[in-house]
Amino acid sequence: KNEVEQSPQNLTAQEGEFITINCSYSVGISALHWLQQHPGGGIVSLFMLSSGKKKHGRLIATINIQEKHSSLHITASHPRDSAVYICAAPNRDDKIIFGKGTRLHILP
Amino acid sequence: DTGVSQNPRHKITKRGQNVTFRCDPISEHNRLYWYRQTLGQGPEFLTYFQNEAQLEKSRLLSDRFSAERPKGSFSTLEIQRTEQGDSAMYLCASRADVYGYTFGSGTRLTVV
Repeated sequence: KNEVEQSPQNLTAQEGEFITINCSYSVGISALHWLQQHPGGGIVSLFMLSSGKKKHGRLIATINIQEKHSSLHITASHPRDSAVYICAAPNRDDKIIFGKGTRLHILP
Repeated sequence: DTGVSQNPRHKITKRGQNVTFRCDPISEHNRLYWYRQTLGQGPEFLTYFQNEAQLEKSRLLSDRFSAERPKGSFSTLEIQRTEQGDSAMYLCASRADVYGYTFGSGTRLTVV
């Protein structure tokens, strides 16, 4: 079992829909990261969270440390949001453990 | 400082050739990590440095792979005698002791 689990693995939605991607982790963390990777592209860091909630444009990330759970939300989704979203957290050995990613496809 | 820089962004090489990638971390970050991401998978740990010392290497890092961080600043990852299975995205990240990680955008290697 991976120490960082994401769901769903794949998600297809219509433009404008509200999107939620979930991440559960079993490691003790100081901060959790949400990353975005477009097809054939590099990785872009979206958020680093250690508590509460952060918002950037149409993206919102929340974390519940007690429940070891984080969510990434996209409001008013757009085809350009189509990408792989990865959650990542360092474990006690200070190695970043990545989830396998959620492949999001927004249809126009 | 504009973040973690990786070069080249893309590399296509013939099987059997050697390749070298470079990662320039954020200057005050003493820890530097290399990860590899194959198609459809999340990135997997390869190795990490604290300053110039290589503290850990994954079993994924075969003898054909070597990483260095000679002055505790930039790092290089070399793959000798490349194989098609080495085709992947090679990702570098850095951090200081108390802050989160900063990720490079990766080097995509294609071995033909």
